Amino acid sequence: EVQLLESGGGLVQPGGSLRLSCAASGGTFSNYAMNWVRQAPGKGLEWVSVINGGGDGTFYADSVKGRFTISRDDSKNTLYLQMNSLRGEDTALYYCARDFRRGSGWSPDGMDLWGQGTTVTVSS
Amino acid sequence: QSALTQPASVSGSPGQSITISCTGTSSDIGGYNYLSWYQQHPGKAPKLLIYDVSNRPSGVSNRFSGSKSGNTASLTISGLQAEDEADYYCNSYSTNRILLFGGGTKLTVL
Repeated sequence: EVQLLESGGGLVQPGGSLRLSCAASGGTFSNYAMNWVRQAPGKGLEWVSVINGGGDGTFYADSVKGRFTISRDDSKNTLYLQMNSLRGEDTALYYCARDFRRGSGWSPDGMDLWGQGTTVTVSS
Repeated sequence: QSALTQPASVSGSPGQSITISCTGTSSDIGGYNYLSWYQQHPGKAPKLLIYDVSNRPSGVSNRFSGSKSGNTASLTISGLQAEDEADYYCNSYSTNRILLFGGGTKLTVL
């Protein structure tokens, strides 16, 4: 059974950077589109970004476009989120989530496998 | 990129049925069938309940059902159980290749 484990969260000052990782264990996530979804304390879910199954297509929410970069290394079964120019409103629990359908593209049917999240706090 | 609109809260008694609505626009819900629903218990990761408007993944109870009409999607939970008390979120693909979540609905089982 595939499990996802996020890491890399922590406390960072405004304007700083962090890189989150999401490692798959018990299997592979190759050829699945992978997402980052975040949840600010006491708030709802917010989709952040997706990378397609082939790794050659990336899409972002307007709130993070130009500041965050999603990438993947299928040889390491790991998904990444490089976060630059961090702001207070980026404070959240960040989840990685696998798309339901396998393929080299992105078919946004739903996200059926989620990690437990890693917490990012942006504060001075 | 406005979030989809859901009621903040709904409630029902055990055994009853409830419906949660999710309203968007022709650029998201009305334009695509990439509509999913998630259940989230406190302190837990979300769980996929419905994908592609009305399909249940393997292992999800048939008490959960989804539908769509125009720019509004709905999640119906029948035979309410205490364990259904949770937050529920809709999610839709939108023009410009982004995903939108609803604001979330807190379900209370009385």
